[in-house]
Amino acid sequence: GQQLNQSPQSMFIQEGEDVSMNCTSSSIFNTWLWYKQDPGEGPVLLIALYKAGELTSNGRLTAQFGITRKDSFLNISASIPSDVGIYFCAGPYTSSGSARQLTFGSGTQLTVLP
Amino acid sequence: NAGVTQTPKFRVLKTGQSMTLLCAQDMNHEYMYWYRQDPGMGLRLIHYSVGEGTTAKGEVPDGYNVSRLKKQNFLLGLESAAPSQTSVYFCASSSTRSRELFFGEGSRLTVL
Repeated sequence: GQQLNQSPQSMFIQEGEDVSMNCTSSSIFNTWLWYKQDPGEGPVLLIALYKAGELTSNGRLTAQFGITRKDSFLNISASIPSDVGIYFCAGPYTSSGSARQLTFGSGTQLTVLP
Repeated sequence: NAGVTQTPKFRVLKTGQSMTLLCAQDMNHEYMYWYRQDPGMGLRLIHYSVGEGTTAKGEVPDGYNVSRLKKQNFLLGLESAAPSQTSVYFCASSSTRSRELFFGEGSRLTVL
């Protein structure tokens, strides 16, 4: 599988602050996905990116597919308590395979302080 | 709409015991997957299936077997459990038309 490096590992922020996290790959990806996992539940897809340079928003979340195709970024604006959870980046399991077989980053644990 | 359902949710085993985790999906998805989640390591693909009667190895397949006898079910078996298999296991499914994986709620397995 592909190697994904996700940072930071954890973040503690005040409610209302903006958040940024990123993910880098050891090889070129044709797809980047961002998932969120709430405590005790399975991951849920937030944003999918299919094209280098693509910038996609989902409410207060914005993700970008890096132009080198080896990185991606997720930003959360004006954080709220329900943003708490683990955020994972993911990409195709093989360099030429479909995104249906995914390899995941190690996750960013986000804590929002009131 | 149940989506992806995993049973059991929790299980404690002794080293050497065997068990099977069951995953059922009601979305008529072709593809199904088993992942394990360990602290600080994200989710790692164990085995997957691209259709009824087919299975393939993922990133960490050793010590596990799978079967997909029916399209809606994907079973994960541990023949001789080891403490290193203590983890949270997630099943997921996807259709042929979408890259979105739908995950179950997870099964927490502890091997003593």
